[in-house]
Amino acid sequence: QVQLVQSGAELKRPGASVKVSCKASGYTLTDYNINWVRQATGQGLEWMGWMNPKSGDTGFAQKFQARLTLTRDTSIGTAYMELSSLRSEDTAVYFCARAPREIPPAISWFDPWGQGTQVTVSS
Amino acid sequence: SYELTQPPSVSVSPGQTARITCSGDALPKQHAYWYQQKPGQAPVLVIYKDIYSPSGIPERFSGSSSGTTVTLTISGVQAEDEADYYCQSSDSSGTYAVFGGGTQLTVL
Repeated sequence: QVQLVQSGAELKRPGASVKVSCKASGYTLTDYNINWVRQATGQGLEWMGWMNPKSGDTGFAQKFQARLTLTRDTSIGTAYMELSSLRSEDTAVYFCARAPREIPPAISWFDPWGQGTQVTVSS
Repeated sequence: SYELTQPPSVSVSPGQTARITCSGDALPKQHAYWYQQKPGQAPVLVIYKDIYSPSGIPERFSGSSSGTTVTLTISGVQAEDEADYYCQSSDSSGTYAVFGGGTQLTVL
């Protein structure tokens, strides 16, 4: 059964960084791209960026280009999303989602999604 | 920046047909995808490449496309279909993925 299993909830202070993990289960991480999407409470979905775990190539929404880092550890089948300089507006649930690698990253569909990781930014 | 426009809410009675639209200037050039999201859960893909259904999605879910508008149709709506629905596509250059604002489907 194909799954993406994300790390647990995080509470961070403004100005700190957060790193969320996304472990592939039931398939090989490098066979598909990974996208990251976030959702503030009661709000819609917001695309953040993508990574090709095989090549390490990445792409970002303009809004996140300066603060977002996407990495992976292929030896353990895990992708990571790190967001720096956190502010209260970054409080949201962060999702990873798998996308077909043979389709250009920003125009592919996302299936399946991880269960989501709540990140709360508060002083 | 590029935007996809969805109605905030749609209401139907059980057994009726629900239609949720998504409009965007680049939709004639880029495929659209649809996701269902229930409270406290991750989104689930219900339509890909405008008209195709992933395996395991009930046949009552279908998609169509016409010009700058794509439509998700749920025929014979059931109570379990009550959820938020999001369309997703890309800007005309295929550089950025974009989501619509979401439509809350209420089954009366």
